[in-house]
Amino acid sequence: QVQVQQWGAGLLKPSETLSLTCAVYVDSFSGYYWSWIRQPPGKGLEWIGEINYSGSTNYNPSLKSRVTISVDKSKKQVYLNLTSVTAADTAVYYCARVQQLMDMDIWGKGTAVTVSS
Amino acid sequence: QSVLTQPPSASGTPGQRVTISCSGSSSNIGSNTVNWYQQLPGMAPKLLIYRDDQRSSGVPDRFSGSKSGTSASLAISGLQSEDEADYYCATWDDNLTGRGVFGGGTKLTVL
Repeated sequence: QVQVQQWGAGLLKPSETLSLTCAVYVDSFSGYYWSWIRQPPGKGLEWIGEINYSGSTNYNPSLKSRVTISVDKSKKQVYLNLTSVTAADTAVYYCARVQQLMDMDIWGKGTAVTVSS
Repeated sequence: QSVLTQPPSASGTPGQRVTISCSGSSSNIGSNTVNWYQQLPGMAPKLLIYRDDQRSSGVPDRFSGSKSGTSASLAISGLQSEDEADYYCATWDDNLTGRGVFGGGTKLTVL
């Protein structure tokens, strides 16, 4: 059964804003943080940030100036916005449920985003 | 480079035991629990080990985790061909405002 579903624009031009949605289909939404992670082609995983149901966030300092993670509790959805994208932001973006400090037990399938002029 | 250091590659033959190391510092592994993920080609990462040495649901007991000081290890015994994957360690780093950190990943080849 689908537990987390992600979607968003897959092709962006430089300087545009990346916007992704993560819809949660598990009962336990409010008791967890929900994280965004990305993986550039052929490279490793990078933590972007996280949010809980009340809107408390933590961000990767290297991306903090461009990232906003938000939540809609009524819809059980988590959102990622990344402004002023460049080719370096080309990656597969994942949404994941956080049990405790980077212990992430449920992952979305990932959304591939390409930044190209 | 990554805050957590992993060997880029590891290998073993079927049935062998292999270990993958993850080295950090007092602000991350030394202060927080370590988690391990397995990523098969084209797939999302899957949680293998959480809180240093706890196996995630459905993970065979061939997989085990351990931690000592500022280093952690993932051991895979009775290596099988389906274990060929990328493996990542992950933890929280308490420096500055805190952030999640991953190791650079280790590609495991079953010869």
